[in-house]
Order: sequence, then structure tokens, then C-alpha cells
Amino acid sequence: EPEVTQTPSHQVTQMGQEVILRCVPISNHLYFYWYRQILGQKVEFLVSFYNNEISEKSEIFDDQFSVERPDGSNFTLKIRSTKLEDSAMYFCASSEGGQTEAFFGQGTRLTVV
Amino acid sequence: AQTVTQSQPEMSVQEAETVTLSCTYDTSESDYYLFWYKQPPSRQMILVIRQEAYKQQNATENRFSVNFQKAAKSFSLKISDSQLGDAAMYFCAYRRGKTSGSRLTFGEGTQLTVNP
Repeated sequence: EPEVTQTPSHQVTQMGQEVILRCVPISNHLYFYWYRQILGQKVEFLVSFYNNEISEKSEIFDDQFSVERPDGSNFTLKIRSTKLEDSAMYFCASSEGGQTEAFFGQGTRLTVV
Repeated sequence: AQTVTQSQPEMSVQEAETVTLSCTYDTSESDYYLFWYKQPPSRQMILVIRQEAYKQQNATENRFSVNFQKAAKSFSLKISDSQLGDAAMYFCAYRRGKTSGSRLTFGEGTQLTVNP
């Protein structure tokens, strides 16, 4: 069964460093998303991406964040200068169409020290 | 803005019994989708069931069913014949229907324990 894959599963980084979280969405999906979940809290939307551009972003997704689809398969989330409060589980998701359900990857646990 | 509320932080059920998880939401939209996602200890988000707001019939997926009350803005999940593998955090989620690729808004989650 096709699935969304994320790498790495866990990343530890120093405060102020840049990190890139990688995702391979399901191959025929057209809509891509990033969500995050701070430990013990609800899942929060960050950004959605369609047709090579951001279609929606939340107030969390400030200038420190960026997304890119560098080739036909990968979808990345970059955090330019990490802060302690960026520590969270980051989930990538994709959907075939705009009205269909989103399938999530297994998540990348980001720890900023 | 849309909000989703799960008022039960924790629930427990005996194996083979039935449990219902509650969810309410607030929206001014008429076209939307509702979902239940399961998050086991691995923390992966797994879709359990989906309901389109325009459908009056409640969605069912094997042992999982929903009670969708549109006027009351309520969307509860019933798990029948509970199994140990059902133990997880369950999240209710909302998505607007008219806008393609719109965000999911999640509730706070309900931690379900299944007792043998």
C-alpha cells in the first residue's frame, strides 16, 4: 500500500541551526501539507502546497519556515534558525485531490537543544 | 474560525465492549468534512473514518461508526467490540469543503485505554 515517508525519524539540532525535514508524498497525490504536534498538544496545521506554490499557511508558518518541492518526488520543510519552541513532531501529509482525505507520514521528531 | 472540541481527555473500555468518543465543532460553513484519526504510541496519524457533511447517513468502517448530528454540530465515534490494538489517542478533525486542499483543524484528542 502506498504511504507517505518522512526522513529522518528523529533529528537533534542546536538552537539557531537550520534544519530540513524531508517527505516523499504518495506518488499520484497533488496536495501536500505540513503539520506539527508539540508533545502533549493537538496537531496544528502549518502549510499546504499545491501546483508548486503555497495554497494556505497558518500564523505559525512565519519567515523562519519555507517549503519546497525540489523535484518530482520530495517535499521539504526548512526551518532557518531553530528555536527551542520548534521542538515538536512534524508530520507531512498528502492527498490525491483537494476534497479527499489526507494521508500522514510517520513523523519526524525534532529536538532543538 | 472553525474550532473542534473533544471534551474527554481520557476514556477507558473493557476489551470486547463498546465505547463512544465525543467531538463537537463550530463552523459557519455548510460544506465540510469530518474525520477521526488514530494516533498509536508510534505517533503516526492513521485515518479511521470520514464523514461528508452533505451526507445524512452515518459513516461506518467495520467496528467503527459515527453519530453525525449536523444541527447539533456533534460527531461522535463509536468503537464496537474494542480490541487491545484500539488503544491510542483519537483526534477529531474538520476540513472545509469548498476550498481544495484546505487545512485540517484538530481537536485536543482523547486518550483511549483498552483494558484486557
